[in-house]
Amino acid sequence: NAGVTQTPKFQVLKTGQSMTLQCAQDMNHNSMYWYRQDPGMGLRLIYYSASEGTTDKGEVPNGYNVSRLNKREFSLRLESAAPSQTSVYFCASSEAPRGFTEAFFGQGTRLTVV
Amino acid sequence: TQLLKQSPQFLSIQEGENLTVYCNSSSVFSSLQWYRQEPGEGPVLLVTVVTGGEVKKLKRLTFQFGDARKDSSLHITAAQTGDTGLYLCAGPSGTYKYIFGTGTRLKVLA
Repeated sequence: NAGVTQTPKFQVLKTGQSMTLQCAQDMNHNSMYWYRQDPGMGLRLIYYSASEGTTDKGEVPNGYNVSRLNKREFSLRLESAAPSQTSVYFCASSEAPRGFTEAFFGQGTRLTVV
Repeated sequence: TQLLKQSPQFLSIQEGENLTVYCNSSSVFSSLQWYRQEPGEGPVLLVTVVTGGEVKKLKRLTFQFGDARKDSSLHITAAQTGDTGLYLCAGPSGTYKYIFGTGTRLKVLA
């Protein structure tokens, strides 16, 4: 059971470089999410996608773009990385809007911007 | 804006001790979830509480949802080193979104 798969697991970028974080889920979930996790701040929602073809901003969207490529895949792009974007990034999926169901998470991407 | 505040932020205890961590909000939630996150992994759901006053048990872990549905607690009896991790509460925000608390980082020492 793969669940939610994120790549890469680790990445170091120089300020101003761009990169795309990939996420795929095999649970046929409609909803997918990108979170960032920083010490003492829990998980903060960057963007989410309620269904294929739709995306919406979360709590901290500035500096990021997303693409819901199909039902399985949801990517997060940093166009011009900044040190403030150093964080651990998690992709998640759920059965929403079918109730407040379990969110399934990937293993995370640890990103350092120098 | 709905917020979930967890306390304590950090907790270090000896194996065999009991502990309680809290999740509080000024807003009413229809339900709350608790997740545990181990180092290098994503959070994993432990339980969902849906009724005010509800108590759920998962082996040595006891979860309670406040009567007013604004708070929840997690009590661990006779903690073990395997309980070490980050504990996060989460609540629904609208139809699709999840709000996560600030987290309690627990370390159980052998």
